[in-house]
Amino acid sequence: DIVMTQSPDSLAVSLGERATINCKSSQSVLSRSNNRDYLAWYQLKPGQSPKLLIFWASTRESGVPGRFSGSGSETDFTLTISSLQAEDVAVYYCQQYYSPPWTFGQGTKVEIK
Amino acid sequence: QVQLQESGPGLVKPSETLSLTCSVSGGSFTNYYWTWIRQPPEKGLEWIGYIHYSGSTNYNPSLKSRVTISLDTSKNQFSLRLNSVTAADTAVYYCAKGGGLTYDSWGQGTLVTVSS
Repeated sequence: DIVMTQSPDSLAVSLGERATINCKSSQSVLSRSNNRDYLAWYQLKPGQSPKLLIFWASTRESGVPGRFSGSGSETDFTLTISSLQAEDVAVYYCQQYYSPPWTFGQGTKVEIK
Repeated sequence: QVQLQESGPGLVKPSETLSLTCSVSGGSFTNYYWTWIRQPPEKGLEWIGYIHYSGSTNYNPSLKSRVTISLDTSKNQFSLRLNSVTAADTAVYYCAKGGGLTYDSWGQGTLVTVSS
C-alpha cells in the first residue's frame, strides 16, 4: 500500500494569512503515461459532507475558491490556502488514487490563531 | 449535484454484520462508481471498496474477506455489508460517488458503534 504522510498534524493561522499543508507519499504517484500526479485534497468540516478541493495535484474542483491551490509532483505535495478565512477551519486530507488500495493521509487540522 | 444519504443501525454487536445503505438522488445513478469510505474515531480515512453500475466491485484487501457491496438500481441505492465486526470497525461510514479516481460527492456520514 502507498502510505500518505501529512505534516503538520495541526496548525493555527491568523485570518488572512497563508496556511500550508504538506503531503508525502511512500512512492511516486506520477503516471509516466499521461504525466499526471494521482493526488487529491479534501476538506472535512464537522457535521458536513467531505468536499473535494483539488485533483491531479493542482486542478481546483469547480466552485472551490481561488485561495486554495495545490502543487508538487511524484512524492511531495502541498495544499496552500493563500488567505485563511474563518470558513476554512476544517481537517484536510490528501489522497492518492494512483494504486489500489486508495489511501489517505492522516489529516491536518487547520484552526484560527 | 447528486446527493447521497447513508442509513442503517448506529449500533451493532460484536461478531454480527454491519449493514448500511446509501440512497442517491438528484442525478444519474448509471455509469458511475459508488464507494464506501470510513473514519474510525481519531483516525484518518480508509477506503473500503467500490461498485460500478455494471456490478463490478473492488475491495480493500484488508477488509476483502468480510465486505460485500451491492447495488439496487431500481431504488438508486447501494449497500455495504461488513461481517464479523469488532470494536475496530467502529467508525463514521461515508458513501461517495466515484471509484478509482476521486470522490466528488459524499454523504454526511453515519456513525456505527460496535458494542455489546
